[in-house]
Amino acid sequence: DIQMTQSPSSLSASVGDRVTITCRASQSISNYLNWYQQKPGKAPKLLIYAASSLQRGVPSRFSGSGSGTDFTLTISSLQPEDFATYYCQQSYSSPPTFGQGTKLEI
Amino acid sequence: DVQLVESGGGLVQTGGSLRLSCAASGFTFSDHYMDWVRQAPGKGLEWVGRTRDKADSYTAEYAASVKGRFTISRDDSKDSLYLQMNSLKTEDTAVYYCARVNNSGWYSRDYWGQGTLVTVSS
Repeated sequence: DIQMTQSPSSLSASVGDRVTITCRASQSISNYLNWYQQKPGKAPKLLIYAASSLQRGVPSRFSGSGSGTDFTLTISSLQPEDFATYYCQQSYSSPPTFGQGTKLEI
Repeated sequence: DVQLVESGGGLVQTGGSLRLSCAASGFTFSDHYMDWVRQAPGKGLEWVGRTRDKADSYTAEYAASVKGRFTISRDDSKDSLYLQMNSLKTEDTAVYYCARVNNSGWYSRDYWGQGTLVTVSS
């Protein structure tokens, strides 16, 4: 199975900050990398697919980059509603695997 | 609008069985692979398994942790997905989500249900 490792596991930031979360795959996954946002008590929400494609309806302050084994999710200017947990997930091979999550706190 | 609504969760004793359902609407259900993903209390997301679509013979795959105990099925005539869970263990306690697999080729999970809680008690 492909292991996905996110860093950091938690992150404190302020409204207006630029934030970057990193995800590393244990082997090359091309750009089969997705990012999800999850708020407490809610289902995950797809933000980014194919490493850098913005899901319809997601604000443009979210962006993704990377290919191969190293990927990043960047939020250009944090808004109050962005405080949540973020997960990366590879869809290159089965089983699809998730990172352990990054909790973004105020 | 795409909607996925899970049901069937509840409290069950170890060794027991439970069947979860996921009712889909707002899209052509038969055209999509569908996943089950779970989240234990305070933990991260864990893929449980998937069913492919008719074009791929409805084949299913499972995580090693549930293989042989869980069975995923679907009824395209009812736009419904199912998860039959047998021989339940306390470590199966989690919120179970159904998720649509995007068929663009990138296999993201682009829509999720609200989840249903399964509690396995000894």
